Amino acid sequence: SSELTQDPAVSVALGQTVRITCQGDSLRSYYASWYQQKPGQAPVLVIYGKNNRPSGIPDRFSGSSSGNTASLTITGAQAEDEADYYCNSRDSSGNLVVFGGGTKLTVL
Amino acid sequence: QLQLQESGPGLVKPSETLSLTCTVSGGSISSSSYYWGWIRQPPGKGLEWIGSIYYSGSTYYNPSLKSRVTISVDTSKNQFSLKLSSVTAADTAVYYCARHLVAASFDIWGQGTMVTVSS
Repeated sequence: SSELTQDPAVSVALGQTVRITCQGDSLRSYYASWYQQKPGQAPVLVIYGKNNRPSGIPDRFSGSSSGNTASLTITGAQAEDEADYYCNSRDSSGNLVVFGGGTKLTVL
Repeated sequence: QLQLQESGPGLVKPSETLSLTCTVSGGSISSSSYYWGWIRQPPGKGLEWIGSIYYSGSTYYNPSLKSRVTISVDTSKNQFSLKLSSVTAADTAVYYCARHLVAASFDIWGQGTMVTVSS
C-alpha cells in the first residue's frame, strides 16, 4: 500500500482550473514532486520542490503544499493535459522513496 | 543532454532472476548531486519505486522488495544494474531507470523496458 494517497480520477472542462491532491504524513516534512504520464510513455517531471517547473513545462502547472497535503494545479487545462498524474516524495523516515497511486485526469 | 537506456531480457521464467542494466549517456553517473533509481509499473497499474543507488555504491531499497533486490553501479561503464530474484508473474511490469535528487525528484527517465515473467 502507498504512503501517499491520490484520488483515482478527476475531470475538468477544457480551459478550466483543476487541482489534483496528494496526502501523506511525509508531506509534512518533504515536498512532493509531480509527474505526468501519457499512455505508452515514461513519466515526465512537471513540478518539484516548493513550486519549481523543469525547463519546457508550461506555466499553467503549479504546485503547493499545506500540512499533509500537496496539490498540483493546472490553470486553464488543455486537451493535451489529459494523462495520469503521480506524486512522490521521500517517506516518513526520510530514507526511502514513495509514489502515490496516481490520478487519471480527463479533460472534457 | 543526459539520456538513460534500459536493456535486458524481455522474458524471464518464474523463480529465475530478472537482470536489467541502465546505461547513462551524455553525462557522468559519478555526479555527486544525483542518485540513480529503478521504478516499475505493472500493466494498467501505478508506479512502484524499487530502489536507488549513489555512485559510491550506497543503496536504498523498497522494504517490500528488499529481500529479492540488488542494485549495483559500474562507474567505469557509466551503468547501474538491477537484479530481482525469485520472480513471479506479479513482477511482470515495465521497468524504468531514472535519475533523482536526494529529494526524490526523478528528473530524467529511460524509455522503459517491458519484462514478462512466464514459462
